[in-house]
Amino acid sequence: EDQVTQSPEALRLQEGESSSLNCSYTVSGLRGLFWYRQDPGKGPEFLFTLYSAGEEKEKERLKATLTKKESFLHITAPKPEDSATYLCAVQAGETSGSRLTFGEGTQLTVNP
Amino acid sequence: NAGVMQNPRHLVRRRGQEARLRCSPMKGHSHVYWYRQLPEEGLKFMVYLQKENIIDESGMPKERFSAEFPKEGPSILRIQQVVRGDSAAYFCASSPYNPSPLHFGNGTRLTVT
Repeated sequence: EDQVTQSPEALRLQEGESSSLNCSYTVSGLRGLFWYRQDPGKGPEFLFTLYSAGEEKEKERLKATLTKKESFLHITAPKPEDSATYLCAVQAGETSGSRLTFGEGTQLTVNP
Repeated sequence: NAGVMQNPRHLVRRRGQEARLRCSPMKGHSHVYWYRQLPEEGLKFMVYLQKENIIDESGMPKERFSAEFPKEGPSILRIQQVVRGDSAAYFCASSPYNPSPLHFGNGTRLTVT
């Protein structure tokens, strides 16, 4: 069974204080690892897809990296508007379409 | 280019009633996924459908829950005889092909009183 574990559960940062979120996964036949952002009362918003170990993707203050066992979401000089829950998900197997298995998320709060 | 549209946004039902949740995928997307998010829990897969076919329903309870994606019209998630434990946010997502990222709607928040 595919498993995704995110840490920490919650993270408080001061504006400008860089940090990283972790996503550890156990999956048979990884097809892709995804990062989403979810704001309260909204659906998850797609951020990145990573397909193979060593791959990196960047978008504004966010950078996602992937190894064979985990992924990191690095947040550089965060701003209050980066406050949200960040979700990691894996896509695996040949018969599941684009089905994703999600971790429980890291709730990020950035204080001004 | 409209995103995934879900309605209603909020739905209140009394125990024993039926709940119908609708999802219109993004234009050009023929794959639809339903997820449930319980308070303080992660997103849990329920069912994956393509037009007129259920591909994977392994995450959906065997009783009271059903889903469809007809040739014309939105995908429907139907919950019969709702119980308090069904209270949750239900999210629909769509994709144009496999594999590809899923694009989510803003969910329907079901409250069972």
